[in-house]
Parts: sequence; structure tokens; C-alpha cells
Amino acid sequence: NAGVTQTPKFQVLKTGQSMTLQCAQDMNHEYMSWYRQDPGMGLRLIHYSVGAGITDQGEVPNGYNVSRSTTEDFPLRLLSAAPSQTSVYFCASSYIRGSYKMNTEAFFGQGTRLTVV
Amino acid sequence: DQQVKQNSPSLSVQEGRISILNCDYTNSMFDYFLWYKKYPAEGPTFLISISSIKDKNEDGRFTVFLNKSAKHLSLHIVPSQPGDSAVYFCAATPTLGRLYFGRGTQLTVWP
Repeated sequence: NAGVTQTPKFQVLKTGQSMTLQCAQDMNHEYMSWYRQDPGMGLRLIHYSVGAGITDQGEVPNGYNVSRSTTEDFPLRLLSAAPSQTSVYFCASSYIRGSYKMNTEAFFGQGTRLTVV
Repeated sequence: DQQVKQNSPSLSVQEGRISILNCDYTNSMFDYFLWYKKYPAEGPTFLISISSIKDKNEDGRFTVFLNKSAKHLSLHIVPSQPGDSAVYFCAATPTLGRLYFGRGTQLTVWP
């Protein structure tokens, strides 16, 4: 059971480059989200999705795009990388609360450590 | 404006004793609360949760207490073990699985 899989695990980008962080889950979860973790800042929500074709912004969406064409995949795109985007990125998935499925805790991937130079 | 606050960045406890991690929240719409544990170079993992209709939830060595009037929750670990050393995040949600996280507390359990 793979759970939430993120690729790559590490990445170094030059300022201005673009890239896509991949996230896939095999638990048929409706809800998926992207967080970034910075020292002393906890986990901050970038974008989230409540199902295929539906996305919305979180607390820190600037500089990032997402799409959700399938239930399983939720890629995060950096349009033009900046040093301020150096961070550890986590993808998470969960069932939507209020559905008949009782588990509501989010399952996290292992993270992608991104450095922008 | 941080809606979930963990005011203690670190906590050091001797093995066998109780660890108490605290969390405060400001949004009265939050009705479900969770604790996550995170080891270095790994993703956070779910530890325990509590609904706002309860004031206590217990799972083995871990107990979460919720005081709605004070908008405060705490995680108790008894007895603490060295393997419990990790960063603990408090999280809260009003709806639809969107989680608001605190900044985390680094717990160190020493022998």
C-alpha cells in the first residue's frame, strides 16, 4: 500500500526555472492538498482540491499553480522559481469530512526538499 | 494571523515522565482537532484526534484534552519514551479536511 507518493525527493532549481512537483495517492481520497514547511513557520497550505476538477487557494498560493484531472494525482507547478520558494513541500490526502467515510486525518507524503539558487 | 498557536517551540522531558504539549486556537468554527508527529526527513504522521463534542480522547500512552471555553487543547504522553522525540504539530479544521497547523513543538525525551 503506497499511500501518498511524492517525486522528486530533492531538487535544486535556478531562479526563474519552472518545474512540477508530483503527488499521487492510491487511497481514493477526495481531498488533496499541498503544504510548505519553513523553519519556525509550521505547515502552511498552498493549494487544495476537494475532487477532480476542483481546486482552491490556501494561505500562500502566489507563485504556484495546481490542477486535478484525476482523483489520484495532484501536481504542484512552480511557474518561475524564486529563492523565497526554497522549502520542504508536503502533499497530503484525506477523505472529506461529512462523508460516510469516518477517517478524516490527512496522510502525508515523504516531502520534496526544494532549493532555489 | 495564526489561528492555531503552539507557544512552546521546544520541550525537554525525562524518560518515564509525562510530556504535556499545549495548543491554543482562535477560530470558534474549528470543530475537529488533530495532533501530528514528525521525524526529520519524513512526512507528518497522524497521532490522535478529538471532536469538539468530546473533551478527552485516549489512545494508549497518548491522551488529548479539549477545553472549548478556553479554546485550548493539550496532548499528554505517559510515560514518555526516547522514541517519542519528534516535532509535534497541532492542527484544527472547520470543514472539508482543510487543516490549519500550529508551528510545532520539538519534544526531546532524554534517558
